[in-house]
Amino acid sequence: AQSVTQLGSHVSVSEGALVLLRCNYSSSVPPYLFWYVQYPNQGLQLLLKYTSAATLVKGINGFEAEFKKSETSFHLTKPSAHMSDAAEYFCAVSKASGTYKYIFGTGTRLKVLA
Amino acid sequence: KAGVTQTPRYLIKTRGQQVTLSCSPISGHRSVSWYQQTPGQGLQFLFEYFSETQRNKGNFPGRFSGRQFSNSRSEMNVSTLELGDSALYLCASSQESGGEQYFGPGTRLTVT
Repeated sequence: AQSVTQLGSHVSVSEGALVLLRCNYSSSVPPYLFWYVQYPNQGLQLLLKYTSAATLVKGINGFEAEFKKSETSFHLTKPSAHMSDAAEYFCAVSKASGTYKYIFGTGTRLKVLA
Repeated sequence: KAGVTQTPRYLIKTRGQQVTLSCSPISGHRSVSWYQQTPGQGLQFLFEYFSETQRNKGNFPGRFSGRQFSNSRSEMNVSTLELGDSALYLCASSQESGGEQYFGPGTRLTVT
């Protein structure tokens, strides 16, 4: 069975500091992995996706994530946080064997301090 | 291309009533998924429709149902509403099942 674990339901960083949001997955087959961002009172927006091509994936708004099979991780990073990055971030996995099922993590709320 | 649209955006219903929510996917997308989002439970998968067929279903009671039309538009219905059904209901479309999903703004349902 697939699952996604996001470590830290709340993360605070100073403006200009490194952003690191952690995601670990379990999947019986090579997964598709995604990061989404949700701003207040809005739907989710795709930040980036991994679909078994390059292990380092670049997304929108300066975010990137690295797929590490040995660690079953797909952590999201951004070198320098902006105030506008404050939002909730969700990691998701899909591509179970047989049928595709999308599983979301519980989310990490990012706070950016001035 | 227009994004995913959901109607209505806000809804207030009374316990015991039923409700129908609508979702129009991005043009060309055949897969539509529905999610329930609450502060306590997070994002929970309800079901996915692909070319008018329910392909996957989450762990929700039978009061939650859905359908997809030939133009890929989808509706979900909740009968006999309970207070715990108050949530943000999100619809997402994708070109293929399991691919990247594009979300609508959601319908916020409040049950009183």
